[in-house]
Amino acid sequence: GENVEQHPSTLSVQEGDSAVIKCTYSDSASNYFPWYKQELGKGPQLIIDIRSNVGEKKDQRIAVTLNKTAKHFSLHITETQPEDSAVYFCAASANTGNQFYFGTGTSLTVIP
Amino acid sequence: SAVISQKPSRDICQRGTSLTIQCQVDSQVTMMFWYRQQPGQSLTLIATANQGSEATYESGFVIDKFPISRPNLTFSTLTVSNMSPEDSSIYLCSVALQGARQPQHFGDGTRLSIL
Repeated sequence: GENVEQHPSTLSVQEGDSAVIKCTYSDSASNYFPWYKQELGKGPQLIIDIRSNVGEKKDQRIAVTLNKTAKHFSLHITETQPEDSAVYFCAASANTGNQFYFGTGTSLTVIP
Repeated sequence: SAVISQKPSRDICQRGTSLTIQCQVDSQVTMMFWYRQQPGQSLTLIATANQGSEATYESGFVIDKFPISRPNLTFSTLTVSNMSPEDSSIYLCSVALQGARQPQHFGDGTRLSIL
């Protein structure tokens, strides 16, 4: 089955700096890669996703890149703000299944 | 998007008892999912609940321990049966919208502690 690894497990950045979280996956059949943000006491919230026919997708301060050859994808947050502090999860999925394989999460702290 | 309401939001239960968690969605959805998230860890799929059919359980989860109901397209329940301290976790309901097959939106979860 699919194995998704996520790094780093914790990340601290100064407000205004950029943050990058990286994930690798093992199953070449995976073709959908969402990112979730989970704030304390809340459920995961979908913030951005990318499909395998696209190499990069951007939504305001958030961008995701995908390298299918190397089987890795990354979340980039620019101009970080304290409200970006949360746990971020990557996930991978294939059309043939209905399950997401989640990474282990990255706890991001943005220091004011 | 969808508004997903879970009840209860948290509970403390005695060993050996059972608790039923409710998940209500504000729109009709084909697929609903139940996840478990242990403190500080990632999400693990328990089962997929489709209306009109039995739930599909993932490896390591069985119907006797986690019975699921899906009476209509906006509601599902997950029961955690004969609870032990190892069942202490966050249980999350998730839905897939617009014909998607994968979970996209999550409720805020039920935080369950077993004494």
